[in-house]
Amino acid sequence: DGGITQSPKYLFRKEGQNVTLSCEQNLNHDAMYWYRQDPGQGLRLIYYSQIVNDFQKGDIAEGYSVSREKKESFPLTVTSAQKNPTAFYLCASSTRDSNTEAFFGQGTRLTVV
Amino acid sequence: GQNIDQPTEMTATEGAIVQINCTYQTSGFNGLFWYQQHAGEAPTFLSYNVLDGLEEKGRFSSFLSRSKGYSYLLLKELQMKDSASYLCAVRRNTNAGKSTFGDGTTLTVKP
Repeated sequence: DGGITQSPKYLFRKEGQNVTLSCEQNLNHDAMYWYRQDPGQGLRLIYYSQIVNDFQKGDIAEGYSVSREKKESFPLTVTSAQKNPTAFYLCASSTRDSNTEAFFGQGTRLTVV
Repeated sequence: GQNIDQPTEMTATEGAIVQINCTYQTSGFNGLFWYQQHAGEAPTFLSYNVLDGLEEKGRFSSFLSRSKGYSYLLLKELQMKDSASYLCAVRRNTNAGKSTFGDGTTLTVKP
């Protein structure tokens, strides 16, 4: 079955440590996105990628980094520079057509202690 | 930039009809999406509007007026499982496929 997979579902890290969140899709989608969601709020775009080996900053990229070495994979690293990393992180993918919806992974809840 | 406004919370009764509004201000509008998100889960796609008018899909319908920067999601014959957050998302033609999301409307359906 085609889909988009994030792992792990829950992640705990100590303050000051970098952590990488995994996102894999087998939908053959060109575009992939990372969003952050805080309680009671909508989704805010961190980074996005339209094609392999290319990615762009979203609205809240500071303290995060990404790579897009393969079409299927778009890992997100939350660095120690991110001031408030505890949040729910959602990865999504879509075709590059503007009229198609995004498909979301199940999310990773990151807690930094 | 974009400004997307939705009510924060709504409550309705099982079996009733509820309308969730979304207003937006943007240039280069290129479509509006509605997603449903249950607590702690991923958003799932409900509807897409790019032209003015009403799109009906079973119990759910979505309306768009581009001139007014306004959309609504209409949920009929409410069921308890419809209790969720409903997210409005706007896409611009310069956005390279990415959408900007509103903060969502949390709908509680009561018996």
